[in-house]
Amino acid sequence: AQSVAQPEDQVNVAEGNPLTVKCTYSVSGNPYLFWYVQYPNRGLQFLLKYITGDNLVKGSYGFEAEFNKSQTSFHLKKPSALVSDSALYFCAVRGASGGSYIPTFGRGTSLIVHP
Amino acid sequence: DAGITQSPRHKVTETGTPVTLRCHQTENHRYMYWYRQDPGHGLRLIHYSYGVKDTDKGEVSDGYSVSRSKTEDFLLTLESATSSQTSVYFCAISESTMALTSNEKLFFGSGTQLSVL
Repeated sequence: AQSVAQPEDQVNVAEGNPLTVKCTYSVSGNPYLFWYVQYPNRGLQFLLKYITGDNLVKGSYGFEAEFNKSQTSFHLKKPSALVSDSALYFCAVRGASGGSYIPTFGRGTSLIVHP
Repeated sequence: DAGITQSPRHKVTETGTPVTLRCHQTENHRYMYWYRQDPGHGLRLIHYSYGVKDTDKGEVSDGYSVSRSKTEDFLLTLESATSSQTSVYFCAISESTMALTSNEKLFFGSGTQLSVL
Protein backbone atom coordinates (compact mmCIF):
# COMPACT_ATOMS: atom_id res chain seq x y z
CA ALA A 1 0.00 0.00 0.00
CA GLN A 2 1.14 3.51 -0.71
CA SER A 3 0.90 6.33 1.80
CA VAL A 4 1.93 9.91 2.41
CA ALA A 5 2.67 11.69 5.67
CA GLN A 6 2.59 15.44 6.08
CA PRO A 7 3.80 15.80 9.67
CA GLU A 8 2.78 19.42 10.13
CA ASP A 9 -0.84 20.50 10.15
CA GLN A 10 0.24 24.13 9.91
CA VAL A 11 3.38 26.01 8.94
CA ASN A 12 3.84 29.67 9.80
CA VAL A 13 6.43 31.83 8.09
CA ALA A 14 7.10 35.54 7.72
CA GLU A 15 6.86 37.11 4.28
CA GLY A 16 10.25 37.16 2.58
CA ASN A 17 11.57 34.20 4.55
CA PRO A 18 12.18 30.78 3.03
CA LEU A 19 9.50 28.17 3.53
CA THR A 20 9.48 24.39 3.70
CA VAL A 21 6.45 22.11 3.76
CA LYS A 22 7.40 18.55 4.63
CA CYS A 23 6.28 15.30 3.01
CA THR A 24 7.42 11.73 3.46
CA TYR A 25 6.09 8.77 1.55
CA SER A 26 5.88 5.00 1.45
CA VAL A 27 5.46 3.08 -1.79
CA SER A 28 6.68 -0.11 -3.43
CA GLY A 29 9.36 0.54 -5.98
CA ASN A 30 10.12 3.93 -7.43
CA PRO A 31 7.75 6.76 -6.57
CA TYR A 32 5.96 9.34 -8.62
CA LEU A 33 5.46 12.36 -6.35
CA PHE A 34 3.22 15.39 -6.66
CA TRP A 35 2.40 18.65 -4.89
CA TYR A 36 -0.97 20.38 -5.18
CA VAL A 37 -2.19 23.66 -3.67
CA GLN A 38 -5.70 24.58 -2.61
CA TYR A 39 -6.79 28.18 -2.15
CA PRO A 40 -9.91 28.92 -0.08
CA ASN A 41 -13.15 27.70 -1.63
CA ARG A 42 -11.32 26.31 -4.65
CA GLY A 43 -10.32 22.92 -5.95
CA LEU A 44 -6.74 21.70 -5.88
CA GLN A 45 -4.25 22.96 -8.43
CA PHE A 46 -1.18 21.08 -9.64
CA LEU A 47 2.14 22.62 -8.58
CA LEU A 48 4.85 20.17 -9.60
CA LYS A 49 5.81 16.53 -9.87
CA TYR A 50 8.83 14.27 -9.64
CA ILE A 51 9.02 11.33 -12.01
CA THR A 52 12.70 10.69 -12.60
CA GLY A 53 15.93 12.57 -13.14
CA ASP A 54 17.07 15.64 -11.23
CA ASN A 55 16.18 15.46 -7.55
CA LEU A 56 15.26 19.15 -7.51
CA VAL A 57 12.02 19.82 -9.32
CA LYS A 58 10.80 23.30 -10.17
CA GLY A 59 7.15 24.14 -10.43
CA SER A 60 4.61 26.92 -10.57
CA TYR A 61 4.71 30.19 -8.60
CA GLY A 62 8.41 29.83 -7.72
CA PHE A 63 7.97 26.61 -5.77
CA GLU A 64 10.39 23.74 -5.93
CA ALA A 65 10.64 20.35 -4.28
CA GLU A 66 13.55 18.14 -3.40
CA PHE A 67 13.33 14.39 -3.78
CA ASN A 68 15.43 12.42 -1.28
CA LYS A 69 15.25 8.70 -1.88
CA SER A 70 17.20 7.65 1.23
CA GLN A 71 14.92 9.67 3.47
CA THR A 72 11.79 8.92 1.40
CA SER A 73 10.97 12.60 1.43
CA PHE A 74 9.71 15.17 -1.05
CA HIS A 75 9.71 18.53 0.73
CA LEU A 76 8.21 21.59 -0.89
CA LYS A 77 10.29 24.76 -0.74
CA LYS A 78 10.30 28.38 -1.77
CA PRO A 79 13.19 30.79 -1.22
CA SER A 80 11.04 33.81 -0.35
CA ALA A 81 7.46 33.44 0.84
CA LEU A 82 4.62 35.73 -0.21
CA VAL A 83 1.41 36.43 1.71
CA SER A 84 -0.43 35.15 -1.37
CA ASP A 85 1.23 31.73 -0.87
CA SER A 86 -1.04 31.18 2.12
CA ALA A 87 -3.07 28.09 1.25
CA LEU A 88 -3.48 24.38 1.90
CA TYR A 89 -0.79 22.18 0.37
CA PHE A 90 -1.14 18.50 -0.44
CA CYS A 91 1.55 15.97 -1.22
CA ALA A 92 0.63 12.86 -3.23
CA VAL A 93 2.41 9.66 -4.27
CA ARG A 94 1.88 6.67 -6.48
CA GLY A 95 4.09 3.76 -7.41
CA ALA A 96 5.85 3.77 -10.75
CA SER A 97 4.91 0.18 -11.49
CA GLY A 98 2.18 -2.23 -10.54
CA GLY A 99 -0.80 -1.50 -8.38
CA SER A 100 -2.99 1.54 -8.74
CA TYR A 101 -2.13 4.41 -11.03
CA ILE A 102 -4.10 6.72 -8.81
CA PRO A 103 -2.12 8.85 -6.37
CA THR A 104 -2.70 8.79 -2.63
CA PHE A 105 -2.89 12.19 -0.97
CA GLY A 106 -1.60 13.34 2.38
CA ARG A 107 -3.78 15.13 4.91
CA GLY A 108 -2.61 18.55 3.84
CA THR A 109 -0.55 21.31 5.47
CA SER A 110 -1.91 24.78 5.99
CA LEU A 111 0.71 27.38 5.11
CA ILE A 112 0.25 30.80 6.68
CA VAL A 113 2.53 33.60 5.53
CA HIS A 114 2.49 36.61 7.83
CA PRO A 115 3.09 40.14 6.47
CA ASP B 1 -8.55 26.38 -15.82
CA ALA B 2 -9.70 22.98 -17.01
CA GLY B 3 -13.37 22.88 -17.96
CA ILE B 4 -14.87 21.08 -14.99
CA THR B 5 -18.24 22.01 -13.56
CA GLN B 6 -19.64 20.52 -10.41
CA SER B 7 -23.30 20.87 -9.50
CA PRO B 8 -24.75 21.78 -7.19
CA ARG B 9 -22.14 23.91 -5.42
CA HIS B 10 -23.99 23.62 -2.12
CA LYS B 11 -26.57 21.09 -0.94
CA VAL B 12 -28.37 20.61 2.35
CA THR B 13 -30.35 17.43 2.72
CA GLU B 14 -31.86 15.21 5.36
CA THR B 15 -30.69 11.82 6.55
CA GLY B 16 -32.09 9.00 4.48
CA THR B 17 -32.72 10.97 1.30
CA PRO B 18 -30.97 10.18 -1.99
CA VAL B 19 -28.54 12.74 -3.36
CA THR B 20 -26.82 12.95 -6.74
CA LEU B 21 -23.84 15.14 -7.46
CA ARG B 22 -22.83 15.86 -11.02
CA CYS B 23 -19.45 16.44 -12.58
CA HIS B 24 -19.30 17.70 -16.14
CA GLN B 25 -16.10 18.16 -18.14
CA THR B 26 -15.44 19.76 -21.49
CA GLU B 27 -11.84 18.47 -21.86
CA ASN B 28 -12.69 15.01 -23.25
CA HIS B 29 -10.39 13.46 -20.63
CA ARG B 30 -10.63 9.72 -20.17
CA TYR B 31 -10.23 9.51 -16.40
CA MET B 32 -12.60 10.97 -13.83
CA TYR B 33 -12.55 10.76 -10.05
CA TRP B 34 -14.66 11.58 -7.03
CA TYR B 35 -12.92 12.57 -3.79
CA ARG B 36 -14.18 13.75 -0.44
CA GLN B 37 -12.27 16.21 1.69
CA ASP B 38 -12.58 16.17 5.46
CA PRO B 39 -10.53 17.90 8.15
CA GLY B 40 -7.80 15.62 9.43
CA HIS B 41 -8.25 13.19 6.55
CA GLY B 42 -7.26 15.22 3.54
CA LEU B 43 -8.51 13.89 0.24
CA ARG B 44 -9.89 10.37 0.00
CA LEU B 45 -10.89 8.62 -3.19
CA ILE B 46 -14.50 7.46 -3.39
CA HIS B 47 -14.83 6.08 -6.93
CA TYR B 48 -13.14 6.60 -10.25
CA SER B 49 -13.77 5.96 -13.90
CA TYR B 50 -11.36 4.97 -16.65
CA GLY B 51 -13.86 5.22 -19.48
CA VAL B 52 -17.55 5.25 -20.33
CA LYS B 53 -19.30 2.66 -18.17
CA ASP B 54 -15.95 1.65 -16.65
CA THR B 55 -15.77 2.48 -12.96
CA ASP B 56 -14.11 1.14 -9.85
CA LYS B 57 -14.12 1.68 -6.10
CA GLY B 58 -11.77 3.84 -4.12
CA GLU B 59 -10.85 3.62 -0.46
CA VAL B 60 -14.13 5.06 0.93
CA SER B 61 -16.76 3.75 -1.49
CA ASP B 62 -19.30 2.39 1.02
CA GLY B 63 -22.62 4.22 0.72
CA TYR B 64 -21.77 5.69 -2.68
CA SER B 65 -22.39 4.65 -6.27
CA VAL B 66 -21.34 6.21 -9.54
CA SER B 67 -22.30 6.18 -13.17
CA ARG B 68 -20.65 7.34 -16.34
CA SER B 69 -22.82 7.04 -19.42
CA LYS B 70 -20.97 9.72 -21.39
CA THR B 71 -17.36 10.81 -21.47
CA GLU B 72 -18.22 14.24 -20.14
CA ASP B 73 -20.42 13.31 -17.17
CA PHE B 74 -19.63 11.45 -13.96
CA LEU B 75 -22.39 11.17 -11.38
CA LEU B 76 -21.96 10.40 -7.70
CA THR B 77 -25.03 9.11 -5.85
CA LEU B 78 -25.61 8.76 -2.15
CA GLU B 79 -28.45 6.25 -2.07
CA SER B 80 -29.48 7.14 1.48
CA ALA B 81 -27.51 10.03 2.88
CA THR B 82 -26.08 9.85 6.40
CA SER B 83 -24.56 12.55 8.59
CA SER B 84 -21.12 10.94 8.15
CA GLN B 85 -21.35 11.87 4.47
CA THR B 86 -21.35 15.57 5.28
CA SER B 87 -18.24 16.70 3.44
CA VAL B 88 -16.83 18.66 0.55
CA TYR B 89 -16.86 16.58 -2.61
CA PHE B 90 -14.40 17.17 -5.42
CA CYS B 91 -14.46 15.85 -8.92
CA ALA B 92 -11.16 15.52 -10.76
CA ILE B 93 -10.15 14.57 -14.27
CA SER B 94 -6.94 13.49 -15.94
CA GLU B 95 -5.97 12.93 -19.52
CA SER B 96 -3.28 10.36 -18.98
CA THR B 97 -1.72 8.17 -16.37
CA MET B 98 1.53 7.94 -18.27
CA ALA B 99 3.76 9.77 -15.85
CA LEU B 100 6.58 10.23 -18.30
CA THR B 101 4.46 12.60 -20.31
CA SER B 102 3.65 16.05 -19.15
CA ASN B 103 0.01 15.15 -18.93
CA GLU B 104 -0.13 13.16 -15.72
CA LYS B 105 -1.81 15.57 -13.41
CA LEU B 106 -5.26 15.89 -11.91
CA PHE B 107 -7.51 18.85 -12.64
CA PHE B 108 -10.05 19.55 -9.94
CA GLY B 109 -13.48 21.10 -9.94
CA SER B 110 -14.47 23.75 -7.40
CA GLY B 111 -16.23 21.30 -5.11
CA THR B 112 -19.69 20.64 -3.71
CA GLN B 113 -20.35 21.35 -0.04
CA LEU B 114 -22.85 18.73 1.15
CA SER B 115 -24.51 18.91 4.54
CA VAL B 116 -26.62 15.99 5.74
CA LEU B 117 -28.82 16.93 8.69
